[in-house]
Amino acid sequence: EDQVTQSPEALRLQEGESSSLNCSYTVSGLRGLFWYRQDPGKGPEFLFTLYSAGEEKEKERLKATLTKKESFLHITAPKPEDSATYLCAVQASGGSYIPTFGRGTSLIVHP
Amino acid sequence: EAQVTQNPRYLITVTGKKLTVTCSQNMNHEYMSWYRQDPGLGLRQIYYSMNVEVTDKGDVPEGYKVSRKEKRNFPLILESPSPNQTSLYFCASRTLEPDTEAFFGQGTRLTVV
Repeated sequence: EDQVTQSPEALRLQEGESSSLNCSYTVSGLRGLFWYRQDPGKGPEFLFTLYSAGEEKEKERLKATLTKKESFLHITAPKPEDSATYLCAVQASGGSYIPTFGRGTSLIVHP
Repeated sequence: EAQVTQNPRYLITVTGKKLTVTCSQNMNHEYMSWYRQDPGLGLRQIYYSMNVEVTDKGDVPEGYKVSRKEKRNFPLILESPSPNQTSLYFCASRTLEPDTEAFFGQGTRLTVV
């Protein structure tokens, strides 16, 4: 059974204080690992897809990395507008069309 | 603008009263799905559809029905809602390739009393 565990559950940072969110996964062949951002009361918004170990992608203050067992979302010098819940999801290979989502990390950035 | 539109955004209903939540996408995506999101449980897929007239169960299909008569629409039907179906529901669409990102609707907050 595919599993995705995100840590920490919640994270409070001061503006400018860099940190990382973790997504550990167990999957029978990885087709893709996704990061989404979700603001309160809204649907998840796509950030990145990573396909293979060693891959990195960046967008503004966010950088996602991938190993064979986990992915990190690094947030550099965060701003209050980066406050949101960050979701990680994996899509297994082998024909399954059901992605597995983690429970998310709630990030609050204080000014 | 590419979007997934759900209606209604908020719904309060009574146990046993049939309801439908609509979902429409304008990106010509083949794949559409419904999720529920509950505190501490994350997003769980209810049903998905890979094309018109093709639907399949997700992880938590009990108590729900769906239909896909047109490519752009994928309504979620609760024939006899119960309080344990109180949740935040999201519709999503994407291309048929499973390694592409999904586009989510704004959500429907359902309360069953």
